[in-house]
Amino acid sequence: DADVTQTPRNRITKTGKRIMLECSQTKGHDRMYWYRQDPGLGLRLIYYSFDVKDINKGEISDGYSVSRQAQAKFSLSLESAIPNQTALYFCATSDPRRASEQYFGPGTRLTVT
Amino acid sequence: GQSLEQPSEVTAVEGAIVQINCTYQTSGFYGLSWYQQHDGGAPTFLSYNALDGLEETGRFSSFLSRSDSYGYLLLQELQMKDSASYFCAVREGSASKIIFGSGTRLSIRP
Repeated sequence: DADVTQTPRNRITKTGKRIMLECSQTKGHDRMYWYRQDPGLGLRLIYYSFDVKDINKGEISDGYSVSRQAQAKFSLSLESAIPNQTALYFCATSDPRRASEQYFGPGTRLTVT
Repeated sequence: GQSLEQPSEVTAVEGAIVQINCTYQTSGFYGLSWYQQHDGGAPTFLSYNALDGLEETGRFSSFLSRSDSYGYLLLQELQMKDSASYFCAVREGSASKIIFGSGTRLSIRP
């Protein structure tokens, strides 16, 4: 089984809808991250969490919120989706002792129409 | 603010050697990482340099010069499966945020 899983893998939604992307990991890592990838722009950090009670904004947090329900689960929500949030979303985890080595989930391709 | 510069595209021949450069500007620099991403796939970790010098892992090597704010990824004995995008990334400060470059798309010709 994959160490980092994301659901759904693909989603098409309409402008104004609320949507939640979920991430689960079995690596036992404390640190979890949400990234967005757009063509030609690499990966941009949305939010990150170092433990269940810790949530931090990344580069592009506007329009997004997160919830760390447990050590193994980190969800990303779009409260009111807009078309420019169409992108590939990745969840990642890391061990604090090797923070630069991140393990990524397979990604969620989100399309907002 | 922080920024990373790497070429957008590089083309090389199977069996050859290619170097992908990365320059960075950031505060509280802790180290430079490299990731590989195949089309449709997730990024996978390749290497990390915290100190100056060369780190070798099989056919891949990574180099860092902190004084020059510069690093590179060296791929030797190129294989067609090495065709992918390669991202440099810097770890910033004690918060352990990772900031990624825009990526270099490596195309390999037979």
